[in-house]
Amino acid sequence: AQKVTQAQTEISVVEKEDVTLDCVYETRDTTYYLFWYKQPPSGELVFLIRRNSFDEQNEISGRYSWNFQKSTSSFNFTITASQVVDSAVYFCASGTGGFKTIFGAGTRLFVKA
Amino acid sequence: SQTIHQWPATLVQPVGSPLSLECTVEGTSNPNLYWYRQAAGRGLQLLFYSVGIGQISSEVPQNLSASRPQDRQFILSSKKLLLSDSGFYLCAWSVVTADVLTFGAGSRLTVL
Repeated sequence: AQKVTQAQTEISVVEKEDVTLDCVYETRDTTYYLFWYKQPPSGELVFLIRRNSFDEQNEISGRYSWNFQKSTSSFNFTITASQVVDSAVYFCASGTGGFKTIFGAGTRLFVKA
Repeated sequence: SQTIHQWPATLVQPVGSPLSLECTVEGTSNPNLYWYRQAAGRGLQLLFYSVGIGQISSEVPQNLSASRPQDRQFILSSKKLLLSDSGFYLCAWSVVTADVLTFGAGSRLTVL
């Protein structure tokens, strides 16, 4: 089955704390992508990252980092030194792109000042 | 640069009334277009996608329909809304089938 599980429904942290959003996926595809999107209160989903399944290198972009572990089918997202502007719903997704993208249910992150 | 527009942003409709949500993409040709629905507290559900004018694929059978009358225009419709149609509707596009999705700002529909 193709499925993405984001077990954390809501997370609340205080500003400057580090926070990790978990993502576990199931796929039948041998080659696939993994994605993270951010949905701020305005509603529009914003693309954050796409990783190819054969590239297990971790990635860092500013305060954001992603840990891809193919052995455990996980693609976790860490925000370092969180800020209030990071408050949003974050969606993990997997698939081969386009209409073959399967989204998780999302994790709502609250960052309190 | 490419932009995607969706309207209306907010809509309150009575049960049984018709619906029309419109989405247009600028700055690209022959995009793949998508309609997603996000129910409260839920993930994203793909409703329809289109790889070209007049070509519509439906992922979930329901009382909604989609049309693509022009290359960069995608319309979501219903003849008679149900309470369960309430939700946040997102239009998206991608350059090719296997690509990153770019989303519009969404349309929030409340059916009373």
